[in-house]
Amino acid sequence: DIQMTQSPSSLSASLGDRVTITCRASQGIANYLAWYQQKPGKVPNLLIYATSTLQSGVPGRFSGSGSGTTFTLTITNLQPEDVATYFCQNYYTAPRTFGPGTKVEIK
Amino acid sequence: QVQVQQWGAGLLKPSETLSLTCAVYGRSLSGYYWTWIRQPPGKGLEWIGEINQIGTTNYNPSLRSRVTVSQDTSKRQFSLRLTSVTAADTGVYYCAGGRYTSGMGTYWGPGTLVSVSS
Repeated sequence: DIQMTQSPSSLSASLGDRVTITCRASQGIANYLAWYQQKPGKVPNLLIYATSTLQSGVPGRFSGSGSGTTFTLTITNLQPEDVATYFCQNYYTAPRTFGPGTKVEIK
Repeated sequence: QVQVQQWGAGLLKPSETLSLTCAVYGRSLSGYYWTWIRQPPGKGLEWIGEINQIGTTNYNPSLRSRVTVSQDTSKRQFSLRLTSVTAADTGVYYCAGGRYTSGMGTYWGPGTLVSVSS
């Protein structure tokens, strides 16, 4: 099975900051990487799929990059509504494992 | 507009069977993967299993001996069955669906809190 790791596990940044979250797969998954945002008490929401394609309706301050085993989610100009936990997911092959999550807070 | 609704028993005793169903409104099940995901209290997301349009299933190896995902395409519903539950199976259970080429998690149900307690 492919294992997914994320770093950092949590971060605190100021409004307007640029935030970067890294996701690593234990083996290559090409570009089959998705990012989800889960706000407290809410259902996860698909932000990005295929490493860098923004889901419809997602603000342009979110972006994704990477390939193979290392991927990043970047939030530019951090906003209060971005407070959430972010999960990456391998969907290259089953089991379609999630990373452990990165909690983003405002400083 | 696609909507997903889910239902099932929320309180179980150890050794009982968890049964949840999701209904899809606004489209057929065809062309999509339909997935079950769970989240223990205060923890991350765990992928449970999936079914595709031709009925092929895949399961998390850690749950494979206890889990079954099935579908009724005529009703546009898919279901989860998890046998012999324990307290470790407590959490919010989500159903989700999407195309393989679009991340597989475009549409989500609202989640069902399942508690296992004697």
